[in-house]
Amino acid sequence: AQKVTQAQTEISVVEKEDVTLDCVYETRDTTYYLFWYKQPPSGELVFLIRRNSFDEQNEISGRYSWNFQKSTSSFNFTITASQVVDSAVYFCALIRTGANNLFFGTGTRLTVIP
Amino acid sequence: DAGITQSPRYKITETGRQVTLMCHQTWSHSYMFWYRQDLGHGLRLIYYSAAADITDKGEVPDGYVVSRSKTENFPLTLESATRSQTSVYFCASRVGAIETQYFGPGTRLLVL
Repeated sequence: AQKVTQAQTEISVVEKEDVTLDCVYETRDTTYYLFWYKQPPSGELVFLIRRNSFDEQNEISGRYSWNFQKSTSSFNFTITASQVVDSAVYFCALIRTGANNLFFGTGTRLTVIP
Repeated sequence: DAGITQSPRYKITETGRQVTLMCHQTWSHSYMFWYRQDLGHGLRLIYYSAAADITDKGEVPDGYVVSRSKTENFPLTLESATRSQTSVYFCASRVGAIETQYFGPGTRLLVL
């Protein structure tokens, strides 16, 4: 079975601060994919990144960066110099390769205070 | 490029009524999915479809029916709505078996 844990229910930061959202996952599968999605106040789900289990390289995209560590089963997401537009609920998700059920964590609500 | 659309965006209904939520995608993706989002649960898979006329149950299928007569459409029907089905429903699609799922804007359903 797969499980994704986002222990931080809510985080508040002041604009321009850095913030890290934690994601810990459980799976017995050797091949899988991890994802981050953003859900802004408007409610839609926006895809941010996908990582496969063989690729532990960290990734940076502008102010966003992701740290994937198989040894600790974690896939953490860092926002550098946060902005008000980053305020949203962020979901981490896991899927076994070839499967259809994308398992989501319960989400972390990030509030960036101006 | 419309992508994936859902209708209606908001729906209020009463217990026992039949409700159909629509999902339409313009990408010609093979796979389509229905999830529900509830506080404390994240999103959970209701049903999915690998192609037209092929559907299968997800994690929480009870009380729901799906069909897929055309590749681009994947309606979700609540045959007799219950209050526990009050939720936000998301449709998603993906092009192939290992690709990323992309989500529609969601439908907020309130069952009174």
